[in-house]
Amino acid sequence: EDKVVQSPLSLVVHEGDTVTLNCSYEVTNFRSLLWYKQEKKAPTFLFMLTSSGIEKKSGRLSSILDKKELFSILNITATQTGDSAVYLCAVTSSNTGKLIFGQGTTLQVKP
Amino acid sequence: DGGITQSPKYLFRKEGQNVTLSCEQNLNHDAMYWYRQDPGQGLRLIYYSQIVNDFQKGDIAEGYSVSREKKESFPLTVTSAQKNPTAFYLCASQGQGGGKLFFGSGTQLSVL
Repeated sequence: EDKVVQSPLSLVVHEGDTVTLNCSYEVTNFRSLLWYKQEKKAPTFLFMLTSSGIEKKSGRLSSILDKKELFSILNITATQTGDSAVYLCAVTSSNTGKLIFGQGTTLQVKP
Repeated sequence: DGGITQSPKYLFRKEGQNVTLSCEQNLNHDAMYWYRQDPGQGLRLIYYSQIVNDFQKGDIAEGYSVSREKKESFPLTVTSAQKNPTAFYLCASQGQGGGKLFFGSGTQLSVL
């Protein structure tokens, strides 16, 4: 059964800290892994990863995929209160076309 | 503007009633998805459709039904068989090649 597991489920840090969020997966015929940020309602897109070892970066956020070990990490440096959100990881299977999400990591950044 | 539109934003269901949530996209995407989100949890897949007139069950399809008669539209019906329907429902579409999902703004369904 296809599965996506995120850890930790929740995290509380202070402004300026660096955080690493984890996403591991088991899926037949992996196609892509996506990271989303959800603050209120609709998730907003952060990254899509398809190749191992290539870091994607956007400002203070970065992500990398390891297709051998079947996981991805999302790093946030110099965290700000505006980074407080639920971070979602999802994986697409080219076999089924399904897009499966993990449980999400709730990040709270305190001033 | 190109995008994906869900309606209504809020919906109340009486016991024994079927309700339908609308999802329309003008992105010319083939794939569309319905997810359910309970408080403090991730997204769980209800149904998905890769192409018009075809759809597959996701992980929690019981008590729900869908149709895909047009490429632009993927309505979700929450039937009376769904005993715990209170949740936030998100619709999404995806372009070819497994690219990023585009989400609607969601529908909050509550039971009266």
